[in-house]
Amino acid sequence: AQSVTQLDSHVSVSEGTPVLLRCNYSSSYSPSLFWYVQHPNKGLQLLLKYTSAATLVKGINGFEAEFKKSETSFHLTKPSAHMSDAAEYFCVVSEANAGNMLTFGGGTRLMVKP
Amino acid sequence: DTGVSQNPRHKITKRGQNVTFRCDPISEHNRLYWYRQTLGQGPEFLTYFQNEAQLEKSRLLSDRFSAERPKGSFSTLEIQRTEQGDSAMYLCASSLEWSGGYTFGSGTRLTVV
Repeated sequence: AQSVTQLDSHVSVSEGTPVLLRCNYSSSYSPSLFWYVQHPNKGLQLLLKYTSAATLVKGINGFEAEFKKSETSFHLTKPSAHMSDAAEYFCVVSEANAGNMLTFGGGTRLMVKP
Repeated sequence: DTGVSQNPRHKITKRGQNVTFRCDPISEHNRLYWYRQTLGQGPEFLTYFQNEAQLEKSRLLSDRFSAERPKGSFSTLEIQRTEQGDSAMYLCASSLEWSGGYTFGSGTRLTVV
């Protein structure tokens, strides 16, 4: 069975400082991992995905994530936060043998202070 | 292609009434998924189709819920005898079987009063 734990429900940073959103996963097979962002009253948008290629994945808007199998982690980072990054972020795992069904973490709300 | 389309965007219904939502996926995508998201939570899987076949259903999908994808194109999700606990955002997503890339619709927000 697959599962995802997002270690922080809320993260607050100042504009221009680095962002770190932490995610640990559990999977019986080789997983695919994703980060999605959800702005208020908007749909889910894919930030980036890992599907067994390069372990460092670059996404949109300057975000990137590193897949670490030994630590079962897939943390999301950005060097410099922007006010427009304030949103809810979801770490997601899927397995091909589970119909590529997505299992979402509980979400991390990122707040960016001016 | 305009992406995944869901209708209606909002639905307010009285407890006990039936509601039906529609999802139009990206045309070349053979897989279609339904998820439910309650306030402050991540989306939870409900069911998925590959073409017209419904291949998996979550235990969250009680007998009051039914989903169809009659010709492997659009899908409908019906909730019978709605309860206040059914109030949530219902999300549809589609993908190609082997691509691992999903596209979500904007969702249908259901409020049961």
